[in-house]
Amino acid sequence: KQEVTQIPAALSVPEGENLVLNCSFTDSAIYNLQWFRQDPGKGLTSLLLIQSSQREQTSGRLNASLDKSSGRSTLYIAASQPGDSATYLCAVRNDYKLSFGAGTTVTVRA
Amino acid sequence: EAGVAQSPRYKIIEKRQSVAFWCNPISGHATLYWYQQILGQGPKLLIQFQNNGVVDDSQLPKDRFSAERLKGVDSTLKIQPAKLEDSAVYLCASSLDTGPTDTQYFGPGTRLTVL
Repeated sequence: KQEVTQIPAALSVPEGENLVLNCSFTDSAIYNLQWFRQDPGKGLTSLLLIQSSQREQTSGRLNASLDKSSGRSTLYIAASQPGDSATYLCAVRNDYKLSFGAGTTVTVRA
Repeated sequence: EAGVAQSPRYKIIEKRQSVAFWCNPISGHATLYWYQQILGQGPKLLIQFQNNGVVDDSQLPKDRFSAERLKGVDSTLKIQPAKLEDSAVYLCASSLDTGPTDTQYFGPGTRLTVL
């Protein structure tokens, strides 16, 4: 059974600082890994999807890396803004099933 | 393109009552998912439909939860009778298919409070 862990559970940083969010998983036989953003009272929005054959994906200020062999992924958010405040969830896909971590709640202080 | 629609957005019920949630996926999406997200946890898959058929319902508490997807489009999730531990956000998601590159698109969720 796939276990996904996200550390830390919460993070508070001043505006402009770079964010580093960590995700680890136990079963390396994955199809892909996704990072989602969840705002209070809203659903999940997909930020980045990394295929198992890829090492990283970038979108604007976001960069996600994947080290499948060690079961780790890191999401970097450059030059954080108050609008980046949200919960960030990591999800790993085995076969057709997504397994989610509990998320890291980020607060960016103006 | 319209997103995944869910209703109601919020529901408060007493324990032992019944409740139903509705989901309308993105047009043309063959696969539909129901997730349960308890406060402080990641979403947990309850059931997955491929068109009309059930692909996975291994984590659905079948003694009290039921789900159906009529005509391969809309879906309803029902809880009867509800327990206190059912308090959670119920998320519906859809994807074009189940291939490795298919992205799941999530609705806003229904927040259920059981008193």
